[in-house]
Amino acid sequence: GAVVSQHPSWVICKSGTSVKIECRSLDFQATTMFWYRQFPKQSLMLMATSNEGSKATYEQGVEKDKFLINHASLTLSTLTVTSAHPEDSSFYICSARGGLAGLAYNEQFFGPGTRLTVL
Amino acid sequence: KQEVTQIPAALSVPEGENLVLNCSFTDSAIYNLQWFRQDPGKGLTSLLLIQSSQREQTSGRLNASLDKSSGRSTLYIAASQPGDSATYLCAPQSGNTPLVFGKGTRLSVIA
Repeated sequence: GAVVSQHPSWVICKSGTSVKIECRSLDFQATTMFWYRQFPKQSLMLMATSNEGSKATYEQGVEKDKFLINHASLTLSTLTVTSAHPEDSSFYICSARGGLAGLAYNEQFFGPGTRLTVL
Repeated sequence: KQEVTQIPAALSVPEGENLVLNCSFTDSAIYNLQWFRQDPGKGLTSLLLIQSSQREQTSGRLNASLDKSSGRSTLYIAASQPGDSATYLCAPQSGNTPLVFGKGTRLSVIA
């Protein structure tokens, strides 16, 4: 089946620093990638949707200048949390979907998540 | 905008029981619906995907049904085991829009 990886799996950083999280589709081309955030005991909340080669579409209330998303290739998307603060501490999960017929067509596959802790 | 409700929010059962988890969604014009499980601090594991044209899907001890017109899906777990303890999430998909999640049902199976 389709596999999505994330790196790192966890990160601890100081307040004010920037953190980059990578999301890769390992065995299919992901024309669309999604970034979700999950706070403890809460559901997954969609942050943004990105299509390869174009700007990401952010959900209401998500600061695009704070959460920079780059979907530069069909297998890689990155989320950069800029000037991170303790309230940004959360579990970030990426998801990828293939737009071509075949593996992962129109089905979302999820990465294992990245635990961000900002001190 | 799609909204997903899952009932119950939490469930604790003794090992061996059969149980039903419920999911309802407001927009019935869906393409498919997925059930996931999430272990504490972990990512999502896809359990079952039901296409809108299907009424149910089975995988081992899991059976998911879909009543698209009424906006409901159920996940049936037979002969529950302690290893089934996790949070179960349902997520309908409408066209090309991203999956929308409910708050999940937190299941605890006691040995």
